[in-house]
Amino acid sequence: DGGITQSPKYLFRKEGQNVTLSCEQNLNHDAMYWYRQDPGQGLRLIYYSQIVNDFQKGDIAEGYSVSREKKESFPLTVTSAQKNPTAFYLCASSMGTARHNQPQHFGDGTRLSIL
Amino acid sequence: QKEVEQDPGPLSVPEGAIVSLNCTYSNSAFQYFMWYRQYSRKGPELLMYTYSSGNKEDGRFTAQVDKSSKYISLFIRDSQPSDSATYLCAPYGGKTSYDKVIFGPGTSLSVIP
Repeated sequence: DGGITQSPKYLFRKEGQNVTLSCEQNLNHDAMYWYRQDPGQGLRLIYYSQIVNDFQKGDIAEGYSVSREKKESFPLTVTSAQKNPTAFYLCASSMGTARHNQPQHFGDGTRLSIL
Repeated sequence: QKEVEQDPGPLSVPEGAIVSLNCTYSNSAFQYFMWYRQYSRKGPELLMYTYSSGNKEDGRFTAQVDKSSKYISLFIRDSQPSDSATYLCAPYGGKTSYDKVIFGPGTSLSVIP
């Protein structure tokens, strides 16, 4: 079954700690995305990647970092510089970023909380 | 003005009712319109994907786009308890090679048996 797998489902971060959220897809999609979801707000784009070894900042990239070494994988690191990391993090993928390839498919998210 | 706005709800309806979920947007360049359904503690799943103005029907769901008013609607016929979820509208499509999808904050729907 093709899909997007995010792990872990729940994650706790201590002060000053970096944590990494995993995202893997087997849909053979070129583009991958990371969003943050807070109550009452729309999904906000953190980073996106259109192709392996390339990624771009989204609207709220400060305090986050990503890598795209393999087509299937797009891990997100929440660094200690992100002062308000408590949120629901969603990873998505699409065939591409051109208009016709845009419908995105989502994983089931990782909920990050501060200890 | 926010780019995409939705009434947050919650909207509560009896089973079998017709539900109307609405969304307004400000960017007249949007050409593609998506609706996602999100169950609690899950990721959004794509429900409907339409291009430009007009209607699109898929089973009990109908998406309607009025670009002149910048108004998008999702209708659910014969609503079921399993339709209880948050519905996100997501328009995109401008003139650049990368067209960012803008997600609305969502409307929470509860269908009461």
